[in-house]
Amino acid sequence: EADIYQTPRYLVIGTGKKITLECSQTMGHDKMYWYQQDPGMELHLIHYSYGVNSTEKGDLSSESTVSRIRTEHFPLTLESARPSHTSQYLCASSSGLAGEGRELFFGEGSRLTVL
Amino acid sequence: AQSVSQHNHHVILSEAASLELGCNYSYGGTVNLFWYVQYPGQHLQLLLKYFSGDPLVKGIKGFEAEFIKSKFSFNLRKPSVQWSDTAEYFCAVWTDSSYKLIFGSGTRLLVRP
Repeated sequence: EADIYQTPRYLVIGTGKKITLECSQTMGHDKMYWYQQDPGMELHLIHYSYGVNSTEKGDLSSESTVSRIRTEHFPLTLESARPSHTSQYLCASSSGLAGEGRELFFGEGSRLTVL
Repeated sequence: AQSVSQHNHHVILSEAASLELGCNYSYGGTVNLFWYVQYPGQHLQLLLKYFSGDPLVKGIKGFEAEFIKSKFSFNLRKPSVQWSDTAEYFCAVWTDSSYKLIFGSGTRLLVRP
């Protein structure tokens, strides 16, 4: 049972609004990630963090920003939502790197629709 | 750029049929390979992984996958599927070049009872 939680699960919002997608994990993992997923498409890494006060952009350019002030919390923020931001956002964490064979634990996702 | 290809986007099988889902990647160096599964309404979870050693790896629920380096493939297999295997399956590859986990686009499996 994965102990990683995302809120909200579903969000419908108007253009120009600021939104924050919350992600929390109770496993004490140093590594946390945000992926973006559109139907029938690959998961694309948009942000990752290897520890407190460490954040990096992923492979897919995103207008969102993230912060990592506490180990267990990795929120994603969009300052001004646009319809092009409509997607599913998946948060994940791990105790080590995939290069070490470590698995990612995923949350259930936040499905964002921007009208 | 490195990529992961899952050629079958949708697969429909009857219960007890055998399953093979293809996964190919484009990188010639060191890789670690993963299959993740997402059951309806649930989060993505690890099904199995290859890190080193025996290229035939066994995962949960009777799934297995074989790493064939010469073919850049890591196909997922199950000899007899059940209705409860209905899910979306994602192949993912870590390379010692990108140091990131790259996911395929997924295969939706529907098993008819």
